[in-house]
Amino acid sequence: KQEVTQIPAALSVPEGENLVLNCSFTDSAIYNLQWFRQDPGKGLTSLLLIQSSQREQTSGRLNASLDKSSGRSTLYIAASQPGDSATYLCAVMNQGGSEKLVFGKGTKLTVNP
Amino acid sequence: EAQVTQNPRYLITVTGKKLTVTCSQNMNHEYMSWYRQDPGLGLRQIYYSMNVEVTDKGDVPEGYKVSRKEKRNFPLILESPSPNQTSLYFCASTPGSVYTGELFFGEGSRLTVL
Repeated sequence: KQEVTQIPAALSVPEGENLVLNCSFTDSAIYNLQWFRQDPGKGLTSLLLIQSSQREQTSGRLNASLDKSSGRSTLYIAASQPGDSATYLCAVMNQGGSEKLVFGKGTKLTVNP
Repeated sequence: EAQVTQNPRYLITVTGKKLTVTCSQNMNHEYMSWYRQDPGLGLRQIYYSMNVEVTDKGDVPEGYKVSRKEKRNFPLILESPSPNQTSLYFCASTPGSVYTGELFFGEGSRLTVL
């Protein structure tokens, strides 16, 4: 059974710092991995989608990498801003005939001015 | 504007009183899904639908029903709600293939069952 883990559960950094969020998964047979952002009381917003054949995706100050063989993904945020404060979740879509997305529990990021 | 719309956003009800949470998307997406989010447990999939009249169980389907009679709508039905179904519920959809498309989420429906 696929398990997705995000460490740390919470992270606090000063504004302007570059940071890395981690996501690990136990079964490497995945179709894709997505990173989401969730603001308090809000739904999830997709940030980056990496297909299993890709190694990384970039959008603005965000860069996500995928190492399928080791079961790891990282989300790099450059020059963090207070507006980046949110919970970041990763999720994987498993292969094997079951169209189910498995989520990590998220990392709550606080960027202090 | 492309969006996934859930109603109601907030609901307090009592044990055993049937309720339906509606979900509608205006993007002609084929795949739709329901999740519940609970503290310490994260997001868990309840049901999903690959297309009209095609639905399947997720990880926590007990106590829920769904239907997909039209492409745009995917209601979540709680026939006899219980307090353990108190949760934050999200509907999501994705275009084309669920294997390659990003997920679009609704704003969430916070349900309290007394």
